[in-house]
This record gives sequence, C-alpha cells and structure tokens, in this order.
Amino acid sequence: AQSVTQLGSHVSVSEGALVLLRCNYSSSVPPYLFWYVQYPNQGLQLLLKYTSAATLVKGINGFEAEFKKSETSFHLTKPSAHMSDAAEYFCAVFTGRRALTFGSGTRLQVQP
Amino acid sequence: DADVTQTPRNRITKTGKRIMLECSQTKGHDRMYWYRQDPGLGLRLIYYSFDVKDINKGEISDGYSVSRQAQAKFSLSLESAIPNQTALYFCATSGPGTTDTQYFGPGTRLTVL
Repeated sequence: AQSVTQLGSHVSVSEGALVLLRCNYSSSVPPYLFWYVQYPNQGLQLLLKYTSAATLVKGINGFEAEFKKSETSFHLTKPSAHMSDAAEYFCAVFTGRRALTFGSGTRLQVQP
Repeated sequence: DADVTQTPRNRITKTGKRIMLECSQTKGHDRMYWYRQDPGLGLRLIYYSFDVKDINKGEISDGYSVSRQAQAKFSLSLESAIPNQTALYFCATSGPGTTDTQYFGPGTRLTVL
C-alpha cells in the first residue's frame, strides 16, 4: 500500500530563514505526490503536486518540492519564510482508484 | 462564493444522537469525498463517491453512512454518535483525473459529549 511519512510534527523557523518540511513516501509504483496547506480555521488548499513530468515542482507562495526516487522523498522547501507561511502542511499520495492518503501533518511556526 | 460549502460549521451533540453533515459544491465535479481530521493523524478518508451511483467506503467508514443526493451534494451521517467521533470533518471534490486537485470545504467541527 502507498503511504507517506512526515518527519517532525512541529517545525519552527525565523522569518527569512529556509523552510524545509520533510516527506518520505512508500510506493511500489511511481507515485503521484502532493503538498497541501491548511491555514487556521480553513480547509486545505493545494500547494503543489508531482505528476512525473518534472522532478522539481514549483508551487504557490514561493514553495517548491523535489521528487527524489533514490531517497523516496518529496521534501517541501521555501528559501525565505514569511510570517504568513505559518500553517499546517500535509504531504499526500494518490493511491490508485481511491482518494488521497495524507501524512500526519507538520505545523510550521514562523518566529519574528 | 466558496466552491465547497459545509453545514453546519460547528455542532455539539450528545452520545447516541443522529447527526447529518452536509456538503455542496459548485465546481461541477463528479467526485466527492469525506475526511476526518484528528490531531497528529492527518486526514483519513471516510467515504468517497465518483458519481451519484458510485459510493465507496474509505479506510474508516464504520459508524458512518453517506448519501449522494445529486452531483453537487454529498451528506455524511452519524447514525448514533459516540465521543470518539469528535473531530474536524472535511468535504472535498475533484475532477476525474488521477492528479486533479482536490478542493476542500472549510470543515465542520463536531463535538460528541
């Protein structure tokens, strides 16, 4: 079965610092991978997705993620954190005919 | 107006009560989903529907039922609510493609006392 693991339930960075949120996947077939963001009291919205077209995927709000098959990873990065990036981030994998399987989430805090 | 709406946004109920959560979407999509979110567990799939006549159980469907009244409407019912069903519930919709974006509603916070 396909699954994702997010390392670190909480990450804290200073404003302007690099953001790195980790996601590793387990899949016996080439996966489709996603990052979603949940701002306080809101539903989830798509940040970016990997569909095998390119290993480096750029998303909204300056985020990007790189698919690394050798490391089974799809880590999310942003060069410079902004206060508005404070949210919970979910990595997800598409599991065939079914819907997405989500990781447990990483809450990002941005310190001034 | 929001693409996906959920009602109610908050609900407090008692053990044993029947409760229905409603979801409507204006995206024109056939696929709709119900998830629940618990702290530290991410989102887990309860039920999903690929069209009005195609409804499927997700990974945690026990204790829940659904109704797809129309392409745009997908309701989740708890026949006899229990405290461990206290959670944040999300409805979502997507197009037919494998990698189509899922669009989420704002969520319903349900508390079962």
